[in-house]
Amino acid sequence: QVQLVESGGGVVQPGGSLRLSCKASGFTFSTYGMHWVRQAPGKGLEWVAFIRYDGSNKHYADSVKGRFTISRDNSQNTVSLQMNFLRAEDTALYYCAKHFEAYCGGDCYSHFDQWGQGTLVTVSS
Amino acid sequence: DIQMTQSPSTLSASVGDRVTITCRASQSISSWLAWYQQKPGKAPELLIYKASSLESGVPSRFSGSGSGTEFTLTISSLQPDDFATYYCQQYYSYSGFTFGGGTKVEIK
Repeated sequence: QVQLVESGGGVVQPGGSLRLSCKASGFTFSTYGMHWVRQAPGKGLEWVAFIRYDGSNKHYADSVKGRFTISRDNSQNTVSLQMNFLRAEDTALYYCAKHFEAYCGGDCYSHFDQWGQGTLVTVSS
Repeated sequence: DIQMTQSPSTLSASVGDRVTITCRASQSISSWLAWYQQKPGKAPELLIYKASSLESGVPSRFSGSGSGTEFTLTISSLQPDDFATYYCQQYYSYSGFTFGGGTKVEIK
């Protein structure tokens, strides 16, 4: 069955950096777009970033553009989120999520059908 | 960016009630809308996609409707397991896969 396992969360000071990873299994990872979605404590869901199945197309929320970078390693079935210049408002549970449609990435429409359990990032001095 | 407005933000209901949640998009998204259920401490789970298609394994008491800018999620007969928070999400625009603010369904 599909599994998405996030790691890399922790406590970091404002202005610091953190790298999150999501290890996928149970499906052909290299054929699916992947997302990061976050949820601040007690708040709603906020989409963060997307990467096309082959890594050739990426999109970011305005709130993280220029600070966060999404990448993937299809040989390791892993998608990552490099987070720089972290702010207090980046404190959240970060989920990775999988596109439903294979080979979909900027030219088609696909909902998210599987989510990981999340990794917690706390930005605090 | 496309804004998604959900209402109500909180809903108090009893077991057996028919419940309706509304989601409005700031521009047309055709039928590219999904509904998710989230329980405390858990990841969101997909209920409905393409506005009205029921995800495999989801009880048939859940249904979705709408297109363009107005969408609804209906639970025909609320069950104890349904008390949770529900989110709509548009996936029409790759510049921002926006979520609604959420609707918490509470026990009356």
